[in-house]
Amino acid sequence: EAQVTQNPRYLITVTGKKLTVTCSQNMNHEYMSWYRQDPGLGLRQIYYSMNVEVTDKGDVPEGYKVSRKEKRNFPLILESPSPNQTSLYFCASSSFGQGSYEQYFGPGTRLTVT
Amino acid sequence: GESVGLHLPTLSVQEGDNSIINCAYSNSASDYFIWYKQESGKGPQFIIDIRSNMDKRQGQRVTVLLNKTVKHLSLQIAATQPGDSAVYFCAEMVQGGSEKLVFGKGTKLTVNP
Repeated sequence: EAQVTQNPRYLITVTGKKLTVTCSQNMNHEYMSWYRQDPGLGLRQIYYSMNVEVTDKGDVPEGYKVSRKEKRNFPLILESPSPNQTSLYFCASSSFGQGSYEQYFGPGTRLTVT
Repeated sequence: GESVGLHLPTLSVQEGDNSIINCAYSNSASDYFIWYKQESGKGPQFIIDIRSNMDKRQGQRVTVLLNKTVKHLSLQIAATQPGDSAVYFCAEMVQGGSEKLVFGKGTKLTVNP
């Protein structure tokens, strides 16, 4: 089954404790992206990657890091989480094939930073 | 598809009616647009897309209309069903660049049986 998986689905942590949210896709997609979703603000892009070893900042990259060492994985790293990073996070992937940029989204990771 | 404060625009319809969800996009250079549906507790799900060289595209029970003159996008859902209840987002992109999707803030559709 074609899918994007994220782990963990729920995480409660404390300020300053480094964490990683993993994202994996099994569709051989070139493009992967991380978003955060907050009430009233919609989905905002954090980082994206157009292929292995190619990453770039989205609209709200501060406080986040990413890496793309393999095509299928795109982990999101919070080196020193703060309460304003409490949010719902989505990973997405897409192919550039046939002119469609349909992004497939993961189920989301709800992060609470206290 | 623009929200005020923390409140999403809402649309409430009766089952079987047609629904029209509107979205004003921001970048006149955007040339690719997508509508997504997000059900409670799930990630967004692709519904339909349209390129700027078209002004209308139809899918199964859905139609997207694009008016580039006023930077307006709409999603029409025919014979709306309770399963259509969700938050709907439009997204825009400038192709050939960063391929970055910029999402609107969403509209909450409630279908009453």
